[in-house]
Amino acid sequence: RKEVEQDPGPFNVPEGATVAFNCTYSNSASQSFFWYRQDCRKEPKLLMSVYSSGNEDGRFTAQLNRASQYISLLIRDSKLSDSATYLCVVGGSNDYKLSFGAGTTVTVRA
Amino acid sequence: DGGITQSPKYLFRKEGQNVTLSCEQNLNHDAMYWYRQDPGQGLRLIYYSQIVNDFQKGDIAEGYSVSREKKESFPLTVTSAQKNPTAFYLCASSGEGGTGELFFGEGSRLTVL
Repeated sequence: RKEVEQDPGPFNVPEGATVAFNCTYSNSASQSFFWYRQDCRKEPKLLMSVYSSGNEDGRFTAQLNRASQYISLLIRDSKLSDSATYLCVVGGSNDYKLSFGAGTTVTVRA
Repeated sequence: DGGITQSPKYLFRKEGQNVTLSCEQNLNHDAMYWYRQDPGQGLRLIYYSQIVNDFQKGDIAEGYSVSREKKESFPLTVTSAQKNPTAFYLCASSGEGGTGELFFGEGSRLTVL
C-alpha cells in the first residue's frame, strides 16, 4: 500500500465552480501535512500547510481528519490559473522524510 | 534573489556513463534533498542531508551517490548502475527539516539514449 494516495483525476471544472479532493495516508504517526502545487513540467511550490483545526487561505481550504487519515483541499470560485496538479505531502516520525502523493490534476475551463 | 539553482536543466547521457547534477542554494538552509519524479508517480526521495558532511539514503538510493562538502551545495551523481535513470530530478532545501516548507529548484531532465 502506498504511503500517500490521491485520486489522479483529472477534475475538469468550469470557471467559478468549487472543486474538492482528498488524499489518504497510511502512517497514523504522521505529524505534518501539506498541499503543494505543481504546474506542467515545473517544480512543486507550497500551496499551504494543513493544520489540525483546518485552515483557509483565500479561496483554498484544507482540512485534516486524523481519525480517517485523510486530508482534503477545496478550491472555491475556480480560476483558469488554478489549473495544475496538486500534490499531497505527509511527514512521518522522521521529520526529514516526506512522502508525496502522485498528485491530483485539476483543469479549469472557461 | 535567494533560491535553489539546478544545472543542467536538460541532459542527455549514453548508457554506461555517469552524470552529475548540480544543486546550489543560497537560502542558508541546513537540510537538502534529492527527489526523482516519473510520470504518474509521486516524488521519490533519493538522498537527503540534514547538515554539512552528513547524508542519508532515501527510498531509492541505489545507483546514485551524493556529497555535502559545503552547506550550499548538494550534487547528485547518477551512476551507470542506475537501471532506469531517465527522469525529472528535483533538488530541494528546507530550513526546518521536514516540518517546514520545501523550496525546490527548477529541476533537471535526464534522458538516457
